[in-house]
Amino acid sequence: NAGVTQTPKFRILKIGQSMTLQCAQDMNHNYMYWYRQDPGMGLKLIYYSVGAGITDKGEVPNGYNVSRSTTEDFPLRLELAAPSQTSVYFCASSYRLLGAEEQYFGPGTRLTVT
Amino acid sequence: DAKTTQPPSMDCAEGRAANLPCNHSTISGNEYVYWYRQIHSQGPQYIIHGLKNNETNEMASLIITEDRKSSTLILPHATLRDTAVYYCIVRASGGGADGLTFGKGTHLIIQP
Repeated sequence: NAGVTQTPKFRILKIGQSMTLQCAQDMNHNYMYWYRQDPGMGLKLIYYSVGAGITDKGEVPNGYNVSRSTTEDFPLRLELAAPSQTSVYFCASSYRLLGAEEQYFGPGTRLTVT
Repeated sequence: DAKTTQPPSMDCAEGRAANLPCNHSTISGNEYVYWYRQIHSQGPQYIIHGLKNNETNEMASLIITEDRKSSTLILPHATLRDTAVYYCIVRASGGGADGLTFGKGTHLIIQP
């Protein structure tokens, strides 16, 4: 299993540009998440999905959009990039029914908006 | 989810046991204690979780006090590769369809 994969690893955007961060998992997990991590801080949840076709906002959703058309893929779309979106973005997945869950994280995408 | 308190940083000598404390005095009965770590520039990695009983796996041991208001993560024989930020997270069982709440964690530095 490749686990959780993210592309690209690095990206520099100009203010106002758009891009899509890709995330895929091959573990047949039902839950998927997008987090961002600013320097020296913990992770903050942007969006999450409990299954294909179902998404919901997390703590910091403004400026982002997501879709989940398949179990495997959960792309994050940035429209009209702003310097405040400079951050490291992590995608994660988990299989959850009841009880505890273990989240698996991707390697991250480092985004700079200038 | 209950809030957690961790020291911002700790040092430990290589080969010794690293004991990382976490306070979660407002924990509810159905909330698990999770530990994750993040090695520099990498995604977080799950370590261990527990509800009431002490737990051990190939990476670490988790000791939860009887009143569940605090816990300790133990790395039995720390190596340089264990240098990372360690996050203690409290989260309800199966619940809340949202993500994990990461604080600032403890920066553990393993000294050679």
